Amino acid sequence: DIQMTQSPSFLSASVGDRVTINCKASQNINRYLNWYQQKLGEAPKLLIYNANSLQTGIPSRFSGSGSGTDFTLTISSLQPEDVATYFCLQHNSWPPTFGAGTKLELK
Amino acid sequence: EVQLVESGGGLVQPGRSMKLSCAASGFTFSNYGMAWVRQAPTKGLEWVATISYDGSSTYYRDSVKGRFTISRDNAKSTLYLQMNSLRSEDTATYYCTRGYFDYWGQGVMVTVSS
Repeated sequence: DIQMTQSPSFLSASVGDRVTINCKASQNINRYLNWYQQKLGEAPKLLIYNANSLQTGIPSRFSGSGSGTDFTLTISSLQPEDVATYFCLQHNSWPPTFGAGTKLELK
Repeated sequence: EVQLVESGGGLVQPGRSMKLSCAASGFTFSNYGMAWVRQAPTKGLEWVATISYDGSSTYYRDSVKGRFTISRDNAKSTLYLQMNSLRSEDTATYYCTRGYFDYWGQGVMVTVSS
């Protein structure tokens, strides 16, 4: 199985900060990488698919980059409503596997 | 609006069975493969099983093969997960997801304990 190493596990940032979260795959996954946001008690929400495509309805402050084994989710200007856990998913190889998650809090 | 609503969770004893359901709406259910993903308490997400759009193909993670069965009723727009011979390590919140995991339900908790 492909291992997805996500970092950091925990992140504290201020409103307006630029925030980056990383996922590293144990082997090449091309661009088959999704990013999700999960708020407490809510269903996970798809933010970015295929590494850099913004899901419909998601604010443009969210962006994704990377290919191969290294991927980044960027929030260009952190908003209070962005407090959540973020995780990545690779769907290039079977079985699909997830990063362990990054818990984002406000400083 | 796409909606996925899981039901059927709860407390079950080890070795017993439980069946989860996921009612889908807001899209043409029969056009999409579907999957179950779970998250054990304080652990990460783990794919469990996938079924093709017409139910002809199914896939399982190794730890549930032979115990869990994913199925669907396209006439009812409903996805199922039959879980047999449950173990304590199956304790988790189970999520129903669409296709390549683009939409998720809110999840249903399954606790396996005596």
